[in-house]
Amino acid sequence: GQQLNQSPQSMFIQEGEDVSMNCTSSSIFNTWLWYKQEPGEGPVLLIALYKAGELTSNGRLTAQFGITRKDSFLNISASIPSDVGIYFCAGNTPLVFGKGTRLSVIA
Amino acid sequence: DGGITQSPKYLFRKEGQNVTLSCEQNLNHDAMYWYRQDPGQGLRLIYYSQIVNDFQKGDIAEGYSVSREKKESFPLTVTSAQKNPTAFYLCASSSIGTAYGYTFGSGTRLTVV
Repeated sequence: GQQLNQSPQSMFIQEGEDVSMNCTSSSIFNTWLWYKQEPGEGPVLLIALYKAGELTSNGRLTAQFGITRKDSFLNISASIPSDVGIYFCAGNTPLVFGKGTRLSVIA
Repeated sequence: DGGITQSPKYLFRKEGQNVTLSCEQNLNHDAMYWYRQDPGQGLRLIYYSQIVNDFQKGDIAEGYSVSREKKESFPLTVTSAQKNPTAFYLCASSSIGTAYGYTFGSGTRLTVV
């Protein structure tokens, strides 16, 4: 099946720092979605991207749909302790998920 | 409130026993999905259904079975043929097409001893 390469696998950052993570695919994607999962819970949708080149923000989160349609990135500005969790990229139908980026924020 | 409910939250079973995980949604979504999550592996698709009485295999369907007799319900049976059943199982639903994203349940953690 399709595979998504998500990086980095994990990040340890200081509170207040900005965070960047990305996702690449071996094939073209028609949609890119970013989810966040907290321990013991299901993922929650953060941002959805539908067009190549699209840049979308949701509060401190910004995501972009790459022009080649094979990549996407997610930025989090001014991180806070509640940003801790696993962030997943996903795309296409049915959704294919990356392996996730585990974010830890040090207060 | 509309949502998707998985039960139970934790499930323990002996090796060799079949077990059924429940998933119910009241979002009026047409499509429902089952994913398996293992540490460091992300989410992998087991089965999905876009309409009642029809379903398709995902990437790791071996050892699992599903049914879709009602729009609201999509139970997953983990059979004794599944070699490594211990995992976190997530159910999701959506309107047709990824443009709407998926709504996930809170998961069932299955431990087989």
